[in-house]
Amino acid sequence: DGGITQSPKYLFRKEGQNVTLSCEQNLNHDAMYWYRQDPGQGLRLIYYSQIVNDFQKGDIAEGYSVSREKKESFPLTVTSAQKNPTAFYLCASSFDRGVNTEAFFGQGTRLTVV
Amino acid sequence: QQQVKQSPQSLIVQKGGISIINCAYENTAFDYFPWYQQFPGKGPALLIAIRPDVSEKKEGRFTISFNKSAKQFSLHIMDSQPGDSATYFCAAKALYNFNKFYFGSGTKLNVKP
Repeated sequence: DGGITQSPKYLFRKEGQNVTLSCEQNLNHDAMYWYRQDPGQGLRLIYYSQIVNDFQKGDIAEGYSVSREKKESFPLTVTSAQKNPTAFYLCASSFDRGVNTEAFFGQGTRLTVV
Repeated sequence: QQQVKQSPQSLIVQKGGISIINCAYENTAFDYFPWYQQFPGKGPALLIAIRPDVSEKKEGRFTISFNKSAKQFSLHIMDSQPGDSATYFCAAKALYNFNKFYFGSGTKLNVKP
């Protein structure tokens, strides 16, 4: 089955701790994205990547870091610098250009600070 | 600034009624306009999409209307059902130049039985 897989589904973080959210896709997509969604809010872009070993900050990158060492993988680290990390995190991927450019989303990771 | 503006924020419709969600954009480079449907605790899923060379696209009970001159597009859900209760996001993107997706702020639809 082709798709985009996020893990874990639920994650709990202690104050001052870094945590990493996993995102893997087998759709052969070039571009990958991380979004944050707060209750009743829209999707806010954290980071995106067009190609391996390259990524750009989105609208709310502070307190987050990413890597893109493989085309299939785009992990997101929520660092201790992110003061309000409790949210629903969504990873997405797409072809970077052309007619088949829809974004496919994972099922999300719900991060809670305890 | 917000590239895609979506309204209303929430919508309550009776079963069998028509749900209408509106979006507006500024960037004339956008040429791909998808709508996503999201159920609670799930990731958004593509519902229907349109390119600006057509003014309307229909798939089952879902229709996108597109007004290029006004830079507006809307989603119409005919014969709305309780199972349609979800959050809907419009989005915009440029197809042939890499551009990130720009999402609207979302509309939470509640269809009353």
